[in-house]
Amino acid sequence: NAGVTQTPKFQVLKTGQSMTLQCAQDMNHNSMYWYRQDPGMGLRLIYYSASEGTTDKGEVPNGYNVSRLNKREFSLRLESAAPSQTSVYFCASRRLGGRVRDSYTQPQHFGDGTRLSIL
Amino acid sequence: DAKTTQPNSMESNEEEPVHLPCNHSTISGTDYIHWYRQLPSQGPEYVIHGLTSNVNNRMASLAIAEDRKSSTLILHRATLRDAAVYYCILRDRSNQGGKLIFGQGTELSVKP
Repeated sequence: NAGVTQTPKFQVLKTGQSMTLQCAQDMNHNSMYWYRQDPGMGLRLIYYSASEGTTDKGEVPNGYNVSRLNKREFSLRLESAAPSQTSVYFCASRRLGGRVRDSYTQPQHFGDGTRLSIL
Repeated sequence: DAKTTQPNSMESNEEEPVHLPCNHSTISGTDYIHWYRQLPSQGPEYVIHGLTSNVNNRMASLAIAEDRKSSTLILHRATLRDAAVYYCILRDRSNQGGKLIFGQGTELSVKP
């Protein structure tokens, strides 16, 4: 049981290149999330998918696209990378419980991050 | 989601208790208080959550003030492995997507 797996772990890009960050979870979770973390700061939400077939913008969606490929996988794409997108990217997933209050009590489970540098 | 305020950093000695405070004076009646921590070079991990009553689990205890305007995460015996950034986050019923809004958190250092 690997939990949330992110690939790659490290990547260096040149400005203008494109790249897809992959995330997969094996916990049969419904919701998945992409965050970025800049040095000395907390995480900021980029996009999320509350359930398979839906995606929504978070706090900082500009410059990114996402695809919820199936229940297990949620990818993040940078179409034209910019130095401002240098960051550590975290994927997370969350189970949707059967009770209404589960929407605000079920915890998120995070991957170990992708460290992305854009030159 | 309502805002939380935490000290930027705290220090503790190994094997001593640690009390990490969080102020949330604008908390609403339906806000749950969640704590996550982030070890160096890792993703955040869930620690504990509560609504009104104090909560205990294998990782920590959560003490919630009677007026719910503040809470304290208690690590009963700090270990070197507990050195991390601790985030206090509020989540309410309007947050249907389960999103987490992270603040700066408290960086805890543990001295041997």
